[in-house]
Amino acid sequence: NAGVTQTPKFRILKIGQSMTLQCTQDMNHNYMYWYRQDPGMGLKLIYYSVGAGITDKGEVPNGYNVSRSTTEDFPLRLELAAPSQTSVYFCASSRAGTGKETQYFGPGTRLLVL
Amino acid sequence: SQKIEQNSEALNIQEGKTATLTCNYTNYSPAYLQWYRQDPGRGPVFLLLIRENEKEKRKERLKVTFDTTLKQSLFHITASQPADSATYLCALVVTSGTYKYIFGTGTRLKVLA
Repeated sequence: NAGVTQTPKFRILKIGQSMTLQCTQDMNHNYMYWYRQDPGMGLKLIYYSVGAGITDKGEVPNGYNVSRSTTEDFPLRLELAAPSQTSVYFCASSRAGTGKETQYFGPGTRLLVL
Repeated sequence: SQKIEQNSEALNIQEGKTATLTCNYTNYSPAYLQWYRQDPGRGPVFLLLIRENEKEKRKERLKVTFDTTLKQSLFHITASQPADSATYLCALVVTSGTYKYIFGTGTRLKVLA
């Protein structure tokens, strides 16, 4: 199993540009999450999904959009990049209802908005 | 307001000693509390989980305690090694309809040889 994979690893965007951060998991997990992590800060939840076709906002959703058309994929869309979106983005997945709810994280995407 | 706090200052200890990290929270009723390890430039990796009705959990050199009255968890690494140097995150798992994870800011541990 590859686990959770994210692409790209690093990207520089200009203010106002758009991009999609890709996330794929091969563990058949029902839950998927997007977090951002700023230096010295904890993980902030952007969006999450409890299954294909179902998404919901987290703590910091403004400026982002998501979709979940399949169990495996959960892309994060930035429509109009702003310097405040400079961060490291982590995708994670878990299987709810197991009594353990371990989150598996991808390697992260480092985004710089200039 | 709801908060989860970990020591923001780095913790330096000598090799072989026991490292103790603290996680405190307010105004949450978590079903579980988890601890993750994060190395620089990498995603967090799950270490241990403890349920609200459990007082203590152990895994090899790791021990976690959970006091729901104090709203505190302690994470211990015994016989610490330089390879244990990393940032350790605690996470509350709240299950109110869905499963949400609330992460602390993490404590950076450095084990000195």
